[in-house]
Amino acid sequence: QSVLTQAPSVSGAPGQRVTISCAGSSSSIGTYDVHWYQQLPGTAPKLLIYGNNNRPSGVPDRFSGSKSGTSASLAITGLQAADEADYYCQSYDSYISSWVFGGGTKLTV
Amino acid sequence: QVQLVQSGAEVKKPGASVKVSCKASGYTFTHYHLHWVRQAPGQGLEWMGMINPGGGGDTTYAQKFRGSVAMSSDASTNTVYLELSSLRSEDTAVYYCAKTAYYDNSSPGIDLWGQGTLVTVSS
Repeated sequence: QSVLTQAPSVSGAPGQRVTISCAGSSSSIGTYDVHWYQQLPGTAPKLLIYGNNNRPSGVPDRFSGSKSGTSASLAITGLQAADEADYYCQSYDSYISSWVFGGGTKLTV
Repeated sequence: QVQLVQSGAEVKKPGASVKVSCKASGYTFTHYHLHWVRQAPGQGLEWMGMINPGGGGDTTYAQKFRGSVAMSSDASTNTVYLELSSLRSEDTAVYYCAKTAYYDNSSPGIDLWGQGTLVTVSS
């Protein structure tokens, strides 16, 4: 069971908007920033959002992140078939002194 | 080109050990912690621990993996290693190395991943 909680799956039609949530605690997301990774089928994860709401160079602005309290969210607008992937949130948990990942959310377009 | 290149797939019998390597290039090896992350078949990402190549090879392990894994580094070859001992079928997974990213106004994250190494444990 992951320290950060994500819904197992989410779906949306092409062009629609979806959000993926990540729930933590006061010792994790409540204190530390959240990063998001995209894992396309059969590939290594790739950084998608860092520091709650920052996009690395090359990531389309259709992807955005936010954080409030002990939860964070990833929003994807203008869904495309190429967005089908697993999405993971990641933070740090001071209670267990460990980097932590969410269980991942599978996006179906 | 900044990259992490891992060693190839391994097949091991239960009880055996395996050592996976991760060679870094394109950046100053000793300046960034490197992590190991496990992904069992069909499962999510699991942080195993990290090593500081520039800090005498200091390591931090997730509690679950203490005693069963060992991370090491060789600054002369810009390579980090993950050794798994007393392998069981449940250790079958893809193992990723990943580079820490330090941000000015944010907690550290990961900005680069190796391609992954599949370790299969089967009799």
